[in-house]
Amino acid sequence: KAGVTQTPRYLIKTRGQQVTLSCSPISGHRSVSWYQQTPGQGLQFLFEYFSETQRNKGNFPGRFSGRQFSNSRSEMNVSTLELGDSALYLCASSLTSGGAADTQYFGPGTRLTVL
Amino acid sequence: AQSVTQLGSHVSVSEGALVLLRCNYSSSVPPYLFWYVQYPNQGLQLLLKYTSAATLVKGINGFEAEFKKSETSFHLTKPSAHMSDAAEYFCAVTPNTGGFKTIFGAGTRLFVKA
Repeated sequence: KAGVTQTPRYLIKTRGQQVTLSCSPISGHRSVSWYQQTPGQGLQFLFEYFSETQRNKGNFPGRFSGRQFSNSRSEMNVSTLELGDSALYLCASSLTSGGAADTQYFGPGTRLTVL
Repeated sequence: AQSVTQLGSHVSVSEGALVLLRCNYSSSVPPYLFWYVQYPNQGLQLLLKYTSAATLVKGINGFEAEFKKSETSFHLTKPSAHMSDAAEYFCAVTPNTGGFKTIFGAGTRLFVKA
């Protein structure tokens, strides 16, 4: 079974631009979570989607948004990019709904650099 | 609020020595606890998880962790370090009531000396 895939793997943007990242979960998984990883802040939870609905949200500004499609694929969008948005963005999928004990399977991440 | 503290941002051991990575959590109700490993330029891989069954949890690659409620700890151990264990390790907690947002510790980078 294929793992979680994220595209693109690397991205370079300039301040003020917007970016869309994509995540395809493991087949059959319906929950997708997004995380931002930076050297200074570590891993921070952005949001989680299940069955096309945002179920949880972290403490990020409204410039960060996401959505999930009927096939469980998810996209994350960041508008008006800032230098501080440079990070590794990780997507994780899990099988069920609301399962706190569910194992999250992570993709390799998208490395975003904002110049 | 939930929080996770990993003691030591860097740990160095010799090959063959015991690996001990420390993790403490704060929670009014025992949460679900996880250890993940991250190799350079890769995502996170689950090593093991505690879900209120056995307090001693065995994971992949010879790692294990013991849940100690009285100490609010979930330390990760491996009897004998291998060079391939060099990576960053993250402890994470997911509350078992409402929200289910996973909170990660700051990570501990493990160095293994030959």
